[in-house]
Amino acid sequence: DAKTTQPPSMDCAEGRAANLPCNHSTISGNEYVYWYRQIHSQGPQYIIHGLKNNETNEMASLIITEDRKSSTLILPHATLRDTAVYYCIVRVANSNSGYALNFGKGTSLLVTP
Amino acid sequence: DARVTQTPRHKVTEMGQEVTMRCQPILGHNTVFWYRQTMMQGLELLAYFRNRAPLDDSGMPKDRFSAEMPDATLATLKIQPSEPRDSAVYFCASGLGGPSTFGSGTRLTVV
Repeated sequence: DAKTTQPPSMDCAEGRAANLPCNHSTISGNEYVYWYRQIHSQGPQYIIHGLKNNETNEMASLIITEDRKSSTLILPHATLRDTAVYYCIVRVANSNSGYALNFGKGTSLLVTP
Repeated sequence: DARVTQTPRHKVTEMGQEVTMRCQPILGHNTVFWYRQTMMQGLELLAYFRNRAPLDDSGMPKDRFSAEMPDATLATLKIQPSEPRDSAVYFCASGLGGPSTFGSGTRLTVV
């Protein structure tokens, strides 16, 4: 699976949009971009994933550049409960790969009042 | 919401003792994963199963760790004998080809 690069930490004011970048310049055509987050002492939580189109769900939006070499996770109105470590993972989605996730170090997002 | 259930939530044991961690995957999910998380190494994949058959356990120390799925509703991770360096949070996750759902983890402390 392609490697990803994320900033180690970011701050965001409560109520503002949090934009978390991820670089995946070696991504292949059949690899998806997944985002998970881990709130302190809890298991990782799935947020969103996409292949090449932008995606939106009730939690966040995922913007993938046209060349697919980078993406941005957007939390439109960050709350204190969004303070967590956010992981960007690139993964081949087929049965041969087992769908396992290779977590990197992620971005530690701190939402401040 | 469907959940992955892990037991126990916390376990403190002495070095050399056997430790068994259990996981109940979400009903209908055919893939089960075991991950370990430490401050130094982050989240590491230990092993995973599909339809109860082990697919990959290359991340697991073979001499002391074993993972099994006796049936579709139970996955176990066993450490025998345990060592202080095994202290970590162990997560189980299950899925059906798409996003995985994680349990709350078992925090293991080996003294």
